[in-house]
Order: sequence, then structure tokens, then C-alpha cells
Amino acid sequence: NAGVMQNPRHLVRRRGQEARLRCSPMKGHSHVYWYRQLPEEGLKFMVYLQKENIIDESGMPKERFSAEFPKEGPSILRIQQVVRGDSAAYFCASSAGGNSPLHFGNGTRLTVT
Amino acid sequence: SQKIEQNSEALNIQEGKTATLTCNYTNYSPAYLQWYRQDPGRGPVFLLLIRENEKEKRKERLKVTFDTTLKQSLFHITASQPADSATYLCALDRGNNNDMRFGAGTRLTVKP
Repeated sequence: NAGVMQNPRHLVRRRGQEARLRCSPMKGHSHVYWYRQLPEEGLKFMVYLQKENIIDESGMPKERFSAEFPKEGPSILRIQQVVRGDSAAYFCASSAGGNSPLHFGNGTRLTVT
Repeated sequence: SQKIEQNSEALNIQEGKTATLTCNYTNYSPAYLQWYRQDPGRGPVFLLLIRENEKEKRKERLKVTFDTTLKQSLFHITASQPADSATYLCALDRGNNNDMRFGAGTRLTVKP
């Protein structure tokens, strides 16, 4: 049973470009989470989705950032017109809901030059 | 506002000793609390879950306590080993719907 898969592992974008981060949850999981992490810092919540619905997006900036989890296919975190401050590791996690634990991918490291 | 605070950024202990990490929370009413381990360059890995009606939970050399009156959880690693060196994160459900928030973590170093 494959774990949470994130791609790409590393992504380099120039200022003003778009970044698209993908996350395939574990099989059978319908809940997806995105977190952002800066070096030596904790996980900062961005968005929580359940198939085709956004449950909580209170941690995600309203401008330039969007997330989706379609009925078919991976969850996508999209950052438009990236700026240097967007450089960070972005982690995706999935769960089966209820009080079940989160399973994390190994992150996408975004570097904005 | 809701806060999750972990006792210190870094904790250094000698091999064989017990490591104790603290997680305090404010303005949460969690039905359960989770602990995770994160190694450099990797995603966090789930370790233990403890429910509000459980005072203590154990798994091998790990022990977690949960005091809803003090709004605190303690995470213990007994007979610590250098391989236990990692960052440990506590997590709480923000809204009783598995909407999980994490503390900043405590980086544990176990010296041989």
C-alpha cells in the first residue's frame, strides 16, 4: 500500500511564475491536508480538503494560493505569481477521517529565485 | 486565540536517560492529541494518539500522558538511544473533525 506521494520533490521557479504541487493520498483516504514548513520551524496549517470540498482554508493566503482535491486525481496546491517569500517545504498529508492519524508525504521543496 | 506550545526548541540528553517533552495548549477542547516524529528532510510520522478520557498510553519505550485540566500532554522516551534523535511534534484537532494543528516541535538530541 503506497504511502502519500508528493511531486515534484524539488521545484525551482522564478519570481512571477506559477508553482503547482501535487499530492496523491494513500489509497482509501478521502481527507487531504497541506502544511508549509520553513527551516527550523514547525508545520503551519494551510488548507484541509475532503473530496471535492474545502473544509478549512483559514491558513491559506486569499491571494495567489488555491487548492483542490477533485473526485479523480491528486490534490493540487497552486501558487500563482510566486515571490521569494513562498520558498519553503510544502507537506501534504492524508487521513481516513474521524480521529485517524495523518500520513505525510516527504514534501515538495519550492525555491523561488 | 488558539495556541500549541512545546516546551523548548531543543533538548539534549545522554543515552540511556529518559527524555520528557511537553505540549501545552490554549483555547482548544481536544477529544484527542497526537504525537509525531520528524526526521530532517522527511515528513512527520505518526507515533501515538491519546484520547481525552485516557490518562496515559504506552508503546514500547514511549509513554504519553494527557491532562485536560492542566491542558498539557507529556511525551516520554525511556532508555533513550541516539536513533531517537529527531524533532517531535504534538498535534490537536481544532474543531473535532480531524482538522489538525501542530506545535512548533522539540528537537531532541541523544548523545552516546
